Amino acid sequence: AQRVTQPEKLLSVFKGAPVELKCNYSYSGSPELFWYVQYSRQRLQLLLRHISRESIKGFTADLNKGETSFHLKKPFAQEEDSAMYYCALRNTGFQKLVFGTGTRLLVSP
Amino acid sequence: DGGITQSPKYLFRKEGQNVTLSCEQNLNHDAMYWYRQDPGQGLRLIYYSQIVNDFQKGDIAEGYSVSREKKESFPLTVTSAQKNPTAFYLCASTQGQEPNEKLFFGSGTQLSVL
Repeated sequence: AQRVTQPEKLLSVFKGAPVELKCNYSYSGSPELFWYVQYSRQRLQLLLRHISRESIKGFTADLNKGETSFHLKKPFAQEEDSAMYYCALRNTGFQKLVFGTGTRLLVSP
Repeated sequence: DGGITQSPKYLFRKEGQNVTLSCEQNLNHDAMYWYRQDPGQGLRLIYYSQIVNDFQKGDIAEGYSVSREKKESFPLTVTSAQKNPTAFYLCASTQGQEPNEKLFFGSGTQLSVL
């Protein structure tokens, strides 16, 4: 079965500090991995997906199939990064997207 | 202004009552989804529909029902069989069938039990 684990409910850092939001998954095939973000009073929206190998708002995420991880990283956190972050997985055979429980990132000045 | 519209923003349900949450999209997307968001549990899939007149159960479909009579609309009914309906409900859509396509989300409906 597909499963996404985000072990941290809350991650609190100071502005300028590095950030790593952890995401581990369990799936036997070739998954598609995503990070979604929900800023205060805004809709849930896509931050990035592994297939694009992109950097969005300074965030990157590398798919590590050996460790079944897709951690989200940013070298220098900004206050505006404070939000709820969800890791998600979709397998190649079905349309449903499975979400983790989310990690709230709080960046303090 | 294209997007997904959910209504109402807040909804209250009485004991034994069925309530329907509306989700409309003008993005011409084929696939639509309903998720339930509970604190500490993330988003859980209730139902999804890949095409008009077709839908599949998600992980927590019990106590819910849906219909997909039009491409633009995917209403969710929370029935009296759903014993713990208080939650934030999110509707989403994707354009097609590719696994790497992103979901577009509505602004959500908060359902509470009186």
